[in-house]
Amino acid sequence: ETGVTQTPRHLVMGMTNKKSLKCEQHLGHNAMYWYKQSAKKPLELMFVYSLEERVENNSVPSRFSPECPNSSHLFLHLHTLQPEDSALYLCASSLQLAGGSTDTQYFGPGTRLTVL
Amino acid sequence: GENVEQHPSTLSVQEGDSAVIKCTYSDSASNYFPWYKQELGKRPQLIIDIRSNVGEKKDQRIAVTLNKTAKHFSLHITETQPEDSAVYFCAASKGGGSNYKLTFGKGTLLTVNP
Repeated sequence: ETGVTQTPRHLVMGMTNKKSLKCEQHLGHNAMYWYKQSAKKPLELMFVYSLEERVENNSVPSRFSPECPNSSHLFLHLHTLQPEDSALYLCASSLQLAGGSTDTQYFGPGTRLTVL
Repeated sequence: GENVEQHPSTLSVQEGDSAVIKCTYSDSASNYFPWYKQELGKRPQLIIDIRSNVGEKKDQRIAVTLNKTAKHFSLHITETQPEDSAVYFCAASKGGGSNYKLTFGKGTLLTVNP
């Protein structure tokens, strides 16, 4: 269960704070994803990176800012969030972006974010 | 875009019984259908997937069936055990090229009563 790790596991922040979520994958994958998981809603894709290039920004507000410095690390920088942004933020990775058996996505444990 | 509907939202069965979860999708070009299991407080984990070139796939007590004509696919769990209790998510994607995006269903909370 150590293929994709996320820190912190829990985060409480005020609306004026700035914080960052970190994701690291040890699987040698080339694609990484950020998802938001809210109660009673489907998993929502937020951002996708392939070989450190962003290939998807799924209409996410600018208060969420992703960063992918290399293929093993993915960050989500947070600032001036709203209470409705409280959710579980999941990172995932896959060997390749798409195609054949290489697009299977493996998830991290998530960061439970609470915005006060 | 793709829309995935999943039913039921909750399912309670007795240990040893079978459980069936169904999903429908809207985009006939979708060809990859994974199922994820998420236990309370844990990460979603892939348990089985199927691609459009097959109609059924089995892995021990778990099976998935796909009907491309009707655009639906189902997860079947036989001889359920308490440790099968979790939220199960279906998903669909077109795969290939830029069609990597997974669209998820809302999930089914499965409770297996001992």
